[in-house]
Amino acid sequence: SQTIHQWPATLVQPVGSPLSLECTVEGTSNPNLYWYRQAAGRGLQLLFYSVGIGQISSEVPQNLSASRPQDRQFILSSKKLLLSDSGFYLCAWSKAFAGYTFGSGTRLTVV
Amino acid sequence: AQTVTQSQPEMSVQEAETVTLSCTYDTSESNYYLFWYKQPPSRQMILVIRQEAYKQQNATENRFSVNFQKAAKSFSLKISDSQLGDTAMYFCAFMKGNYGQNFVFGPGTRLSVLP
Repeated sequence: SQTIHQWPATLVQPVGSPLSLECTVEGTSNPNLYWYRQAAGRGLQLLFYSVGIGQISSEVPQNLSASRPQDRQFILSSKKLLLSDSGFYLCAWSKAFAGYTFGSGTRLTVV
Repeated sequence: AQTVTQSQPEMSVQEAETVTLSCTYDTSESNYYLFWYKQPPSRQMILVIRQEAYKQQNATENRFSVNFQKAAKSFSLKISDSQLGDTAMYFCAFMKGNYGQNFVFGPGTRLSVLP
């Protein structure tokens, strides 16, 4: 069966520090991968999606970036975090028309 | 572009009763999929139910069922015999019928099940 792992679960980082969130999928190949952000009490904002290794599409211009170094690995990064980067980050994968399967999320607080 | 609207920001229901969450969408596509996701306080997003637009029969998953009205572009979620564990944010989502397309999520409805 397919599983998705996302870590860390919680992260507190100072302003200006770098960020690396990782997401891996098991049990499938060539999935579509997504990074979403959710502000407190708000909806979901698509940040990046990828349909293959090295293929990244950005939906929202910001100081975040994403990479897909391997088929089932998706990384969200930043060189210098801003206070506005605080939020809940969700990784998801999809294949065909079954819908998204989400990771357990990372709660990021920038202080 | 597709849009998804959930007109009820918050709702509450007594335990064991039935509640209906509304969702409308706007699209010119004829082939698409609709979903309801649940996000409990743990914030894990959980797929509740899925509906293919080409199917006239409404999807059902245990206590969860949908009322899919394609002409009206309406996709409501009915929760029967509400349980305390149903307390969560519920998101309606739309996906075009092309593999690899992204979801469009609604803003969510916060449901509280009261004891």
